[in-house]
Amino acid sequence: GQNIDQPTEMTATEGAIVQINCTYQTSGFNGLFWYQQHAGEAPTFLSYNVLDGLEEKGRFSSFLSRSKGYSYLLLKELQMKDSASYLCAVKGSNYQLIWGAGTKLIIKP
Amino acid sequence: GAVVSQHPSRVICKSGTSVKIECRSLDFQATTMFWYRQFPKQSLMLMATSNEGSKATYEQGVEKDKFLINHASLTLSTLTVTSAHPEDSSFYICSARDSGQESQPQHFGDGTRLSIL
Repeated sequence: GQNIDQPTEMTATEGAIVQINCTYQTSGFNGLFWYQQHAGEAPTFLSYNVLDGLEEKGRFSSFLSRSKGYSYLLLKELQMKDSASYLCAVKGSNYQLIWGAGTKLIIKP
Repeated sequence: GAVVSQHPSRVICKSGTSVKIECRSLDFQATTMFWYRQFPKQSLMLMATSNEGSKATYEQGVEKDKFLINHASLTLSTLTVTSAHPEDSSFYICSARDSGQESQPQHFGDGTRLSIL
């Protein structure tokens, strides 16, 4: 079957760095996406990886290793507004997105 | 760019009412749109994939006669929750992807919070 695993919840301190991991087992791979979702709101797109390596976009970076079925989202200089759920999604062989359950990130002052 | 508009943002209605939710891609054409449902503190659940000019593809366990999807143009898909009951109360979110851009992300509407009394 197809499966995406990410931690349910993480806690970090304002100003610090946090890494949210995502492992996947899917039939086919056509890219991995990270989305941010604040409570009660729709998800917003953060990053996309299709090749191995690190993609940096401001305070957020995303890494992919296809051979390991592994990705992480790295958030630097954490701000209170970064408190949200972070969703990992993989585009499988039929180009449909397979969603992880999301990681709730709690930022403490 | 890549703006998806979803309307209405919130609906409160009586049990037995049918509710229509619209999803529009404002600055791009979307051959395919997606309808999700999300219960509190749970992840997104794909309900159906809406294809322009053809029948929607429903996920297992989703009743196609209860959740009617119409995708009549490249910029508009609608989801109608027929004879809604309290258990249908949820956060419904649509997303769309630019036609022909398989590698591009889905862009989400702001969601519709449906409350059935």
